[in-house]
Amino acid sequence: NAGVTQTPKFRILKIGQSMTLQCTQDMNHNYMYWYRQDPGMGLKLIYYSVGAGITDKGEVPNGYNVSRSTTEDFPLRLELAAPSQTSVYFCASSTRRTGSTDTQYFGPGTRLTVL
Amino acid sequence: AQSVAQPEDQVNVAEGNPLTVKCTYSVSGNPYLFWYVQYPNRGLQFLLKYITGDNLVKGSYGFEAEFNKSQTSFHLKKPSALVSDSALYFCAVRGDNYGQNFVFGPGTRLSVLP
Repeated sequence: NAGVTQTPKFRILKIGQSMTLQCTQDMNHNYMYWYRQDPGMGLKLIYYSVGAGITDKGEVPNGYNVSRSTTEDFPLRLELAAPSQTSVYFCASSTRRTGSTDTQYFGPGTRLTVL
Repeated sequence: AQSVAQPEDQVNVAEGNPLTVKCTYSVSGNPYLFWYVQYPNRGLQFLLKYITGDNLVKGSYGFEAEFNKSQTSFHLKKPSALVSDSALYFCAVRGDNYGQNFVFGPGTRLSVLP
């Protein structure tokens, strides 16, 4: 099992550019999440998905979009990148079904800098 | 609204001494409580969780945590710290009501000094 994989590991964007952060999990988890981690701020939830075709906003969704066409993939799209989106982005997945414990498994992260 | 507090930004402890990393929380319903550890340039790794049952939970690498409902706390502990325990530790909580997501604390940096 590879667990949760994310690409790219690093990226530098210019203001106004767009990009997609990729996330894939091979654990057949129904829930997937995107977080951003800013220094001293912990993790903030951007978007999450409870299954293929279903997504919902988290705490800080502005400037981002997501889709979930398959159980495995949950890409995060940044449109019109801004310096405020400079952060480390983590994808996570979990199983939230009856009898499960909802432990989240995290990818290695994508470090994004917007200049 | 759900919230998590980790009152200490930094905890320093000498190798071999016991360590405690504090966490208090606020949720609707019963809490699901987790501790995660993050090493430099890595994602978060699961350490332990409390869902229900015994208030003392044992996890990976010799860590344990005690759930205290009256104090709404879930402090992480280890009897004898190792230099390799130095990392960033996150407490996370979610209530068991339908539709709630996890909220993470700001993190506590643990430094174990040789």
